[in-house]
Amino acid sequence: DAGITQSPRHKVTETGTPVTLRCHQTENHRYMYWYRQDPGHGLRLIHYSYGVKDTDKGEVSDGYSVSRSKTEDFLLTLESATSSQTSVYFCAISEPKLGVYNEQFFGPGTRLTVL
Amino acid sequence: SQELEQSPQSLIVQEGKNLTINCTSSKTLYGLYWYKQKYGEGLIFLMMLQKGGEEKSHEKITAKLDEKKQQSSLHITASQPSHAGIYLCGADRRGGSNYKLTFGKGTLLTVNP
Repeated sequence: DAGITQSPRHKVTETGTPVTLRCHQTENHRYMYWYRQDPGHGLRLIHYSYGVKDTDKGEVSDGYSVSRSKTEDFLLTLESATSSQTSVYFCAISEPKLGVYNEQFFGPGTRLTVL
Repeated sequence: SQELEQSPQSLIVQEGKNLTINCTSSKTLYGLYWYKQKYGEGLIFLMMLQKGGEEKSHEKITAKLDEKKQQSSLHITASQPSHAGIYLCGADRRGGSNYKLTFGKGTLLTVNP
């Protein structure tokens, strides 16, 4: 299994509080991704990173920010959590091979509840 | 509209039966990826298809890519309770120099013993 860990695995917080989720990899993969998974919506990309300090928005980036200061760590921050951000968050990593494929490996997920 | 449509949304089969899950894209496919997810867990990569007509197998699971139809099918032969879970397809949206996947909403498979 790819070496990907997410912390915390479960978190309950209150509306308006800041929350930071951490993704840590030991594979030295260049790309890292944050997704959220919700019933009826499937898996949606929040932000992704294609290198240290290189990040870009996904399709549901509003209310989220990310940072990547080291290859192995990708942080997702909810500056002021809202109930609509209650979800399961997955981190994924990838080392795309140009012209070949973009297989992504996923972490175990973080279940976040915003009350 | 959803870029990737999966059908059916859910499926209940008796152990030993065959089944097929479809994934149809509204945009050009550069690559199609199949994942399996057990409840409460992360996604496990099953296989990837790149070329039209390509077919791959992993144990009792076979996936095919119809490039003209922009569709992929996942077929499970002689289903077992261990096959139960959510199957998701992901499409390679290779734009520029960045690599991203767009996922379907998933198909929930239940296999009754």
